[in-house]
Amino acid sequence: DAGVIQSPRHEVTEMGQEVTLRCKPISGHNSLFWYRQTMMRGLELLIYFNNNVPIDDSGMPEDRFSAKMPNASFSTLKIQPSEPRDSAVYFCASSFRQASYGYTFGSGTRLTVV
Amino acid sequence: GENVEQHPSTLSVQEGDSAVIKCTYSDSASNYFPWYKQELGKRPQLIIDIRSNVGEKKDQRIAVTLNKTAKHFSLHITETQPEDSAVYFCAASMDYKLSFGAGTTVTVRA
Repeated sequence: DAGVIQSPRHEVTEMGQEVTLRCKPISGHNSLFWYRQTMMRGLELLIYFNNNVPIDDSGMPEDRFSAKMPNASFSTLKIQPSEPRDSAVYFCASSFRQASYGYTFGSGTRLTVV
Repeated sequence: GENVEQHPSTLSVQEGDSAVIKCTYSDSASNYFPWYKQELGKRPQLIIDIRSNVGEKKDQRIAVTLNKTAKHFSLHITETQPEDSAVYFCAASMDYKLSFGAGTTVTVRA
């Protein structure tokens, strides 16, 4: 298995532009998580999907952030419009059933908004 | 929600010595406690985990202990090696959501 696949690995964009991050979870995993990592706030859960349905989006910072999971093998996290404070590493993770089976993280997308 | 505190924030050890990282959690319903290792520029990777019905678990040079009464758990690394240098995160969960500690930066001095 190739693991959790994220793209792009790096993204540099100008303030105000739309950014779309992509994730392909491990086949068979039915839980998908988007995390944001910064030095100041550590690892923050943004949104959790179970069986393609958003279950908990309480961590989504504001309306500029949206996430979708149209099928079991693909998810997107979109920021529109982007702001410099959105600069961070965004990780996608997947697991089988629940967290108690362990998360597998993707390689992350390093986003820089200038 | 669950609150996980992790100490110390940084730890420097001589190669061959042991390293211990401690975490406390707030929600007594939490029943799963994984540890992740993140090397610079890489993804967090699960290195060991423990469930609430177990007090201790070992895997070669790493071990984790859990005290449910006190609501704390610890990671022990013995015979540290340079490749153990990384950021280590503890986490706690009772369902789908992992709540992470702030991380401990471990530096192993040669």
